[in-house]
Amino acid sequence: RKEVEQDPGPFNVPEGATVAFNCTYSNSASQSFFWYRQDCRKEPKLLMSVYSSGNEDGRFTAQLNRASQYISLLIRDSKLSDSATYLCVVKRGNTPLVFGKGTRLSVIA
Amino acid sequence: EAEVAQSPRYKITEKSQAVAFWCDPISGHATLYWYRQILGQGPELLVQFQDESVVDDSQLPKDRFSAERLKGVDSTLKIQPAELGDSAMYLCASSLDRAWDTEAFFGQGTRLTVV
Repeated sequence: RKEVEQDPGPFNVPEGATVAFNCTYSNSASQSFFWYRQDCRKEPKLLMSVYSSGNEDGRFTAQLNRASQYISLLIRDSKLSDSATYLCVVKRGNTPLVFGKGTRLSVIA
Repeated sequence: EAEVAQSPRYKITEKSQAVAFWCDPISGHATLYWYRQILGQGPELLVQFQDESVVDDSQLPKDRFSAERLKGVDSTLKIQPAELGDSAMYLCASSLDRAWDTEAFFGQGTRLTVV
């Protein structure tokens, strides 16, 4: 079993839609959680960190459920420019970032 | 804005040949990572450096891959001999340190095609 599992996608949604991505992690010792965004043939870039209390950045909301070892990302009012692959990432202690396979989102006009 | 530099951006090589990739992290970043990303998959760690020391190379195929960061600054990843299955994006990332809450920044990657 992979340490980080994500919805496989792809998600094809119309502009303005709300879309949610889910992610589960297997190591309960994981301490920090992130969503990275990766555009086609580009490098991953940090979208947002995920905090236990949940956090919001504009149209993006991230939630963490430590008991269920579950992370989510909600995108409201989707824009064409949101089309990308969203990578769920976890980290514990000094160990490296561990990435999920990613979920591909296509926002359609 | 400071960024992680990688070269070359693209590399095509024949199988059984040697290939090398270079990475220059953001100045002052003690931690450096090499990841490999196969199309349709997430990045997977190959090696992690703290300054000039390797702290995790458990997933590095050591029979053909080697990595070094001699002065604790830039780093080189080498494959010899290359195999068809090595075709992938090789991503370098750096962070200030290894702490759990430190952001990692990625370079643009080297896309390797082995023919």
